Amino acid sequence: NAGVTQTPKFQVLKTGQSMTLQCAQDMNHNSMYWYRQDPGMGLRLIYYSASEGTTDKGEVPNGYNVSRLNKREFSLRLESAAPSQTSVYFCASTRGQPQHFGDGTRLSIL
Amino acid sequence: QKEVEQNSGPLSVPEGAIASLNCTYSDRGSQSFFWYRQYSGKSPELIMFIYSNGDKEDGRFTAQLNKASQYVSLLIRDSQPSDSATYLCAVGFSGGGADGLTFGKGTHLIIQP
Repeated sequence: NAGVTQTPKFQVLKTGQSMTLQCAQDMNHNSMYWYRQDPGMGLRLIYYSASEGTTDKGEVPNGYNVSRLNKREFSLRLESAAPSQTSVYFCASTRGQPQHFGDGTRLSIL
Repeated sequence: QKEVEQNSGPLSVPEGAIASLNCTYSDRGSQSFFWYRQYSGKSPELIMFIYSNGDKEDGRFTAQLNKASQYVSLLIRDSQPSDSATYLCAVGFSGGGADGLTFGKGTHLIIQP
């Protein structure tokens, strides 16, 4: 049972490049989330999907898009990466219970 | 704007003592409250959750919730060096946090052998 799987684990991009972060869960959870974590800022919600077919903005959605591909998968896309998007990105999922987190993607934008 | 406040620490506690971590939140409509532990370079790991006023115990951990004071705490009894980590308080508006959680910035706990 893998839980929440994020790919890639590490990535370095140049400013202006695009990229999609992938997240998949095998726990049959309805809701999925993307957070970013920056030093001294804690975890901040970017986007979430309460159920398959729906997505909603969180606290810091600017510069990101998401796709809930199916019940298992929720991707996060950076269309034109900026240095301010350098962060650790966590995907999480839940089914009416506390959220379970993936191992994170460390993303650096040069 | 939903806000969750924690003392960033570091909080230093001798091994075997009780560690007390505190958190306040701004939104009176908050329904669910969580404590996560995060080791450096790792993902958050759920420790406790509580939905009702009062205390909830699980092994060496006790979560306490006071909705009137908008205050939630985590007590760790018989603290061990392996408890040294950052503890994140998180608050959800709906039961289970289905609409996403608001996190505090975390308290860095150090257990001194």
